[in-house]
Amino acid sequence: EAGVTQSPTHLIKTRGQQATLRCSPISGHTSVYWYQQALGLGLQFLLWYDEGEERNRGNFPPRFSGRQFPNYSSELNVNALELEDSALYLCASSSGAGTAGSNQPQHFGDGTRLSIL
Amino acid sequence: AQSVTQLDSQVPVFEEAPVELRCNYSSSVSVYLFWYVQYPNQGLQLLLKYLSGSTLVKGINGFEAEFNKSQTSFHLRKPSVHISDTAEYFCAVSGRDDKIIFGKGTRLHILP
Repeated sequence: EAGVTQSPTHLIKTRGQQATLRCSPISGHTSVYWYQQALGLGLQFLLWYDEGEERNRGNFPPRFSGRQFPNYSSELNVNALELEDSALYLCASSSGAGTAGSNQPQHFGDGTRLSIL
Repeated sequence: AQSVTQLDSQVPVFEEAPVELRCNYSSSVSVYLFWYVQYPNQGLQLLLKYLSGSTLVKGINGFEAEFNKSQTSFHLRKPSVHISDTAEYFCAVSGRDDKIIFGKGTRLHILP
């Protein structure tokens, strides 16, 4: 069974640019989660998509957005990049139970490392 | 709302010694608890989970954790660590109708 795949592995941008990160969930999983892992800050929840809809978002500005496609893959877009957006962005998937409080564990990809120069 | 506190940001331990990584949570409802491990340059991998039933949960790689409701803790233990256990460990909690919350992580350093 293929795991969660993320692309690209690394992404280098400059301030003010826009970044697009992609995630393919495990086959059969309908929920996709995005996290930001910045140095010293642990995992910060960004977004949760299930069945094509945004179900919940963390405490991030609107320039962080995304979507989920009919095949359950997902995209995270970050506009007007700032230096503090430099981080590892992790995507996870689970077989969503229809609520955010799912008892299903999340399966993570290896992340996209976004560096802002 | 739930929250998770991992009391130690770093834990050094000698190879073949036992280790305990501490995790405390707060929640007003029943919770599900997880431990994840992150090896260098990789995503997170599930070690073990507590959903209900027996309070002692066994996971992969010889790890186990005990759910203690009265102390709101879910500490992770291993009786004998190996150099390959060097990683960052995350405790996480989720409750019904709420998102999963991760702790800030504990870096486990194995000393030769």
